[in-house]
Amino acid sequence: GAVVSQHPSWVICKSGTSVKIECRSLDFQATTMFWYRQFPKQSLMLMATSNEGSKATYEQGVEKDKFLINHASLTLSTLTVTSAHPEDSSFYICSARHASTDTQYFGPGTRLTVL
Amino acid sequence: AQSVTQPDIHITVSEGASLELRCNYSYGATPYLFWYVQSPGQGLQLLLKYFSGDTLVQGIKGFEAEFKRSQSSFNLRKPSVHWSDAAEYFCAVGALATGNQFYFGTGTSLTVIP
Repeated sequence: GAVVSQHPSWVICKSGTSVKIECRSLDFQATTMFWYRQFPKQSLMLMATSNEGSKATYEQGVEKDKFLINHASLTLSTLTVTSAHPEDSSFYICSARHASTDTQYFGPGTRLTVL
Repeated sequence: AQSVTQPDIHITVSEGASLELRCNYSYGATPYLFWYVQSPGQGLQLLLKYFSGDTLVQGIKGFEAEFKRSQSSFNLRKPSVHWSDAAEYFCAVGALATGNQFYFGTGTSLTVIP
């Protein structure tokens, strides 16, 4: 139980295009999901907290207009990187909070490369 | 302010040897403590967690961790390391009061020598 999936697992796009990443909790409902960014050989940096049915809460320094987050259902949150640039290339990881266990379960990550 | 410190950036051990990865935290409320493991190019897998009760917690893959409030530590241990344990290990702290937001340490990279 407590499986979180991400799609796609990797994506390559041209500079200036937008990319959508999906995060799904497969066997539980998640009122709260989190989006992280991880640079090579570094820790996870929390980008935003996504609450179902409300606006996401962004961490300081994260551009909300560039990283659009939608949490339309209890099992799905999406992160859209708008007008992507090479500096947005990174590993993006989502997690979903399992309410009954107060534990975050992580997706396998999405490798984004912007050319 | 909340923070998690993993003092060891990289550790190398021989297969079969014991392992201890250090984690210290600073947290204003009663912490929930976690250890996750990440293989290259993968997401994070939960090894174990501590919420309350017995301060020695058992996890998957033969790992255990001990919560020491007086030292603000939550060190991860394994009595005998296997080559498959080579990975990146992250300690994290969170609490219900913050909506379960996690604060991660910078990670410890484990290399296992045959």
